[in-house]
Amino acid sequence: GAGVSQTPSNKVTEKGKYVELRCDPISGHTALYWYRQSLGQGPEFLIYFQGTGAADDSGLPNDRFFAVRPEGSVSTLKIQRTERGDSAVYLCASSPWHYNEQFFGPGTRLTVL
Amino acid sequence: AQKITQTQPGMFVQEKEAVTLDCTYDTSDQSYGLFWYKQPSSGEMIFLIYQGSYDEQNATEGRYSLNFQKARKSANLVISASQLGDSAMYFCAMREGIGGGSQGNLIFGKGTKLSVKP
Repeated sequence: GAGVSQTPSNKVTEKGKYVELRCDPISGHTALYWYRQSLGQGPEFLIYFQGTGAADDSGLPNDRFFAVRPEGSVSTLKIQRTERGDSAVYLCASSPWHYNEQFFGPGTRLTVL
Repeated sequence: AQKITQTQPGMFVQEKEAVTLDCTYDTSDQSYGLFWYKQPSSGEMIFLIYQGSYDEQNATEGRYSLNFQKARKSANLVISASQLGDSAMYFCAMREGIGGGSQGNLIFGKGTKLSVKP
């Protein structure tokens, strides 16, 4: 079956712009996580969805970051007024339940100029 | 304080030899899980192996084994018979227990870059 997919694979934007990053989890997986990986670092947790609701958004760095999962499947991470410090690889992961192994997508590399 | 510490930024190993990648963790939870992921240059995180805090046996998956020493809070990854394709970044990660308020998110270390020499 298909794995986790993320689009776009690369996104270059200018400081101050708005971006949307999409994650399509494995079919049937109810748990969905977003992580951010800066250069030379391990991934850092951003937000977790169980079904349609954000069960834990404690990792979002500030209110410029927002994520939705309206139908309990595809999720979109939204970043307003992007800053150069937002440049990173954004990883999405899904699992059948929140205590199972997480399956990661290939990531979206965001570059803010 | 770091919850996951990987002290080896880079490691070299000769093809066909075994290598150990170090990981220590810090948690006050009794129930937690430890994971190792591989990240090749393509960027995708590939799950390798899992160890639960209550598992008495060390986890093994093919050429991967996890040397779990609970009292020392260490969870080292052992790769036997290294192959050229094992060259990648390796991340140790922990999922804390429900008692600590965890919703299952993983806490990652900074990783170890493994290079396998022919």
